[in-house]
Amino acid sequence: EAGVAQSPRYKIIEKRQSVAFWCNPISGHATLYWYQQILGQGPKLLIQFQNNGVVDDSQLPKDRFSAERLKGVDSTLKIQPAKLEDSAVYLCASSLDRGDTEAFFGQGTRLTVV
Amino acid sequence: GENVEQHPSTLSVQEGDSAVIKCTYSDSASNYFPWYKQELGKRPQLIIDIRSNVGEKKDQRIAVTLNKTAKHFSLHITETQPEDSAVYFCAANSGGGNKLTFGTGTQLKVEL
Repeated sequence: EAGVAQSPRYKIIEKRQSVAFWCNPISGHATLYWYQQILGQGPKLLIQFQNNGVVDDSQLPKDRFSAERLKGVDSTLKIQPAKLEDSAVYLCASSLDRGDTEAFFGQGTRLTVV
Repeated sequence: GENVEQHPSTLSVQEGDSAVIKCTYSDSASNYFPWYKQELGKRPQLIIDIRSNVGEKKDQRIAVTLNKTAKHFSLHITETQPEDSAVYFCAANSGGGNKLTFGTGTQLKVEL
């Protein structure tokens, strides 16, 4: 089966600029996640969607980050304005609508804020 | 919310030796515990998982054990090979749902 697709793979922006990431989950996966992985750390959940509804966004810095999944399929994550500490890999993952099933990760977008 | 702690942060073993990575979790409702392997610059990939209705699961050289009472689970890799070198993450699902909380990772290095 096709995996989780993300774009772009790399992005370099200056601080205070805006950036957007795109994710297309595995077909049929109702749950979509955005994770932030800072170098040397484990993935940290930013937001979780169930179809097109938000399940958990408790760790999303809502003053600068936003995400949407309008049609319950692909999703975009936006940062505006970016800060230096936003430099990280942004991983999208998807899973079936069950609590004990594998989350499949995309390749990630490596963001560098200078 | 769920808190997952992972130890050690780095682990160096000789080829052929065993490696053990340990994790603890805080949410007694968690019932799914996956382990992911992440090679440098690549995506995390599931290597083994365990559900709370079993205490141990094995897949060739990899095994995972779960102690629900103590709220800890461990990854065991036997007969380690250089290609096992990577960062390993444990995770647990919060409240028995499908939100995963990850540990901080263990950098495993298998030396020749």
